[in-house]
Amino acid sequence: DQQVKQNSPSLSVQEGRISILNCDYTNSMFDYFLWYKKYPAEGPTFLISISSIKDKNEDGRFTVFLNKSAKHLSLHIVPSQPGDSAVYFCAASALAGNQFYFGTGTSLTVIP
Amino acid sequence: DTEVTQTPKHLVMGMTNKKSLKCEQHMGHRAMYWYKQKAKKPPELMFVYSYEKLSINESVPSRFSPECPNSSLLNLHLHALQPEDSALYLCASSQGQGKVTDTQYFGPGTRLTVL
Repeated sequence: DQQVKQNSPSLSVQEGRISILNCDYTNSMFDYFLWYKKYPAEGPTFLISISSIKDKNEDGRFTVFLNKSAKHLSLHIVPSQPGDSAVYFCAASALAGNQFYFGTGTSLTVIP
Repeated sequence: DTEVTQTPKHLVMGMTNKKSLKCEQHMGHRAMYWYKQKAKKPPELMFVYSYEKLSINESVPSRFSPECPNSSLLNLHLHALQPEDSALYLCASSQGQGKVTDTQYFGPGTRLTVL
């Protein structure tokens, strides 16, 4: 039973435009969320995180939005660059019970 | 040094073999993790070590045996594996005490094939 889902397995975006990656979760105990990026033959690399006490966190071109009532978070990348092409995993964690789950991943292709 | 290294990159083993996966970091991190990732699936947490002590074991079968000889090294000993254990095994480390909210730094993984 997948507790963290990314319903779009792939996404293509033109260079310079906005990329929006979505993530849904089912467990209301999750209180900390992260996004990781993964290139082929490499391990995931941390991008950005957000605590459940916030609804937005921004770091350069990357912004994560959290909607707790909808159990939904999204990652916005603007402007998108070809080097952003990778698989993006959201992750959700709950300190209580030490739970940590990755989402199913979205493969982003930024077209030059 | 901001890398997590894993050896070997690829490993093929029979069901009766005993082998070990190794992970090393020199970032001074005190928490280390093992994940298993099957094709087209997300990584799944297996074990967490905090200050060289096992703090989380996600009900992993005993044919997987982790070991943390010191704060920089993490091993995963494999014995009597099944073909369905074939996967990418990822190691990670973090600065904190192994809380699941800590930012983790991942190695490139070991691609394991069990024949």
